[in-house]
Amino acid sequence: GQNIDQPTEMTATEGAIVQINCTYQTSGFNGLFWYQQHAGEAPTFLSYNVLDGLEEKGRFSSFLSRSKGYSYLLLKELQMKDSASYLCAVRDQDYKLSFGAGTTVTVRA
Amino acid sequence: ETGVTQTPRHLVMGMTNKKSLKCEQHLGHNAMYWYKQSAKKPLELMFVYNFKEQTENNSVPSRFSPECPNSSHLFLHLHTLQPEDSALYLCASSQDGSSGANVLTFGAGSRLTVL
Repeated sequence: GQNIDQPTEMTATEGAIVQINCTYQTSGFNGLFWYQQHAGEAPTFLSYNVLDGLEEKGRFSSFLSRSKGYSYLLLKELQMKDSASYLCAVRDQDYKLSFGAGTTVTVRA
Repeated sequence: ETGVTQTPRHLVMGMTNKKSLKCEQHLGHNAMYWYKQSAKKPLELMFVYNFKEQTENNSVPSRFSPECPNSSHLFLHLHTLQPEDSALYLCASSQDGSSGANVLTFGAGSRLTVL
């Protein structure tokens, strides 16, 4: 199985940068996903990393280091609407997807 | 309708009731999933259906019974639940059950409260 750790909560100011770390231990590796979930809404897909390095999508970037079992999601130029829970999920060698407990990000004015 | 739709959005039931949660996807996907989301806990995979066949039952108690009549519809039948079963139940779909990026598209969930 997998063991996925991410911080429970983070707070940042509007316009700032926040980095959400995710560490994992897995039997084999077939990709890492980040999802965003606003309160009372469906989780929505943000990013997918399967190779080492940085994937950039506008204000959001995701980084992966397979040798370290580590990823981060970087949120730049924070906006109030970025207040949400961010879920890290890892897929193992059997293509089973396991989620972390999520990081609640609060953006303050 | 687009995406993944779940009904009802909220459900309150007694421990002796029988109820069902419904999920419908309009994305042409072939795999559908039930997840349980409890506060401050990771999403727990319950069931996976790939091309209408159940491919995963993650040691879920028999008081939860899934049904997948076709690739677009998924049900979760509930019977004699316990208060600890109170949670948000999320349905998701993906192109298929394995390979590739296989991104999940989630519904907004059914908030279940068991009294």
